[in-house]
Amino acid sequence: EAGVTQFPSHSVIEKGQTVTLRCDPISGHDNLYWYRRVMGKEIKFLLHFVKESKQDESGMPNNRFLAERTGGTYSTLKVQPAELEDSGVYFCASSLRDRGGELFFGEGSRLTVL
Amino acid sequence: AQSVTQLGSHVSVSEGALVLLRCNYSSSVPPYLFWYVQYPNQGLQLLLKYTTGATLVKGINGFEAEFKKSETSFHLTKPSAHMSDAAEYFCAVRSSGGYQKVTFGTGTKLQVIP
Repeated sequence: EAGVTQFPSHSVIEKGQTVTLRCDPISGHDNLYWYRRVMGKEIKFLLHFVKESKQDESGMPNNRFLAERTGGTYSTLKVQPAELEDSGVYFCASSLRDRGGELFFGEGSRLTVL
Repeated sequence: AQSVTQLGSHVSVSEGALVLLRCNYSSSVPPYLFWYVQYPNQGLQLLLKYTTGATLVKGINGFEAEFKKSETSFHLTKPSAHMSDAAEYFCAVRSSGGYQKVTFGTGTKLQVIP
């Protein structure tokens, strides 16, 4: 069974440009989460989808971030326009319903904004 | 609200020595507690978890953790460190009632010295 996959693994963009990160969860996992880790800090929650609906987007930093999960399968996280402080590693995770919160993580997408 | 504090961003142990990584949590309701490990260039993977029942939880690779409610702690231990244990370890908490996102600590990098 394939795990959670994320693309790209690393993206380097200029301030003001747009980047779209993609996450493919484990097949059959209704829950999909986005997290971000800025260097040396905690892994911070961004948002949570249940199927195609946003369950909780309280962690989204501002309206430059847009997450979608069309059809309840893969998800995209778009940053437009990117700022320097958006640099970090963006993790996607998925889980089955009510598995005690166990999350299965992708390898992360490292975003560097210059 | 819930939070996690990991004491020590870097811990060094000699190969064969005891590993002790500290985690304290805050949660207004009974928590679910997790330890995740991240090896270089990989995603996070679940090491062990506590939901209910026995407070001493055993995980993969010889790690275990004990839930101590009175101390609000969930420290991770391993009797004898192996070189392959070198990685970053994250403690995480989720409240057991209703919907709650998983909240992570800042991580502890474990170095194993030969």
